[in-house]
Amino acid sequence: GAVVSQHPSRVICKSGTSVKIECRSLDFQATTMFWYRQFPKKSLMLMATSNEGSKATYEQGVEKDKFLINHASLTLSTLTVTSAHPEDSSFYICSATSDGNTIYFGEGSWLTVV
Amino acid sequence: GENVEQHPSTLSVQEGDSAVIKCTYSDSASNYFPWYKQELGKRPQLIIDIRSNVGEKKDQRIAVTLNKTAKHFSLHITETQPEDSAVYFCAAGEGGGADGLTFGKGTHLIIQP
Repeated sequence: GAVVSQHPSRVICKSGTSVKIECRSLDFQATTMFWYRQFPKKSLMLMATSNEGSKATYEQGVEKDKFLINHASLTLSTLTVTSAHPEDSSFYICSATSDGNTIYFGEGSWLTVV
Repeated sequence: GENVEQHPSTLSVQEGDSAVIKCTYSDSASNYFPWYKQELGKRPQLIIDIRSNVGEKKDQRIAVTLNKTAKHFSLHITETQPEDSAVYFCAAGEGGGADGLTFGKGTHLIIQP
């Protein structure tokens, strides 16, 4: 089946720094990618939807200047957490689709801000 | 926007018994209803999905039913096994899921040996 890969799987960064998480579709062209955030023992919350070559659509309450999303190609979307704070520590997970019928999730990235 | 409610939050059943998890949604435009199984720190795994033109779908021990009028859908797992223990999430979305998914809060399913 189709594969979506995320990198890094785990990252620790200092408060105030920025960190970038990559989401790649390895064997298909992802016209749409989604970024979710999941706190421990909680559900997945959709942060934003990105379409290749256009600006991401953010969900209500998600700061677009803090969570920068770039979908520069049909196989890569990046999420950059800027000026990270401890409360940004979470599990970030992407998903991708090429046809809107099947959605593939990445492995997720654990972010710890110290 | 869409709001998905999921119950129960925790479900404990004896091995071999059936488990049922229920979800309701609010947006009548939603037409795609997947169910995911997630182990701690891992990606959600799609176990079954149903689209709004179908009322029921079955795949071996797993079945999903959809009632569009009442806006609810349910996951049924029969002959439960220890490896079924995990957190299960329902979700709802428009455009077959292409517009993003709204997830329920999850159900921690525990299979008692």
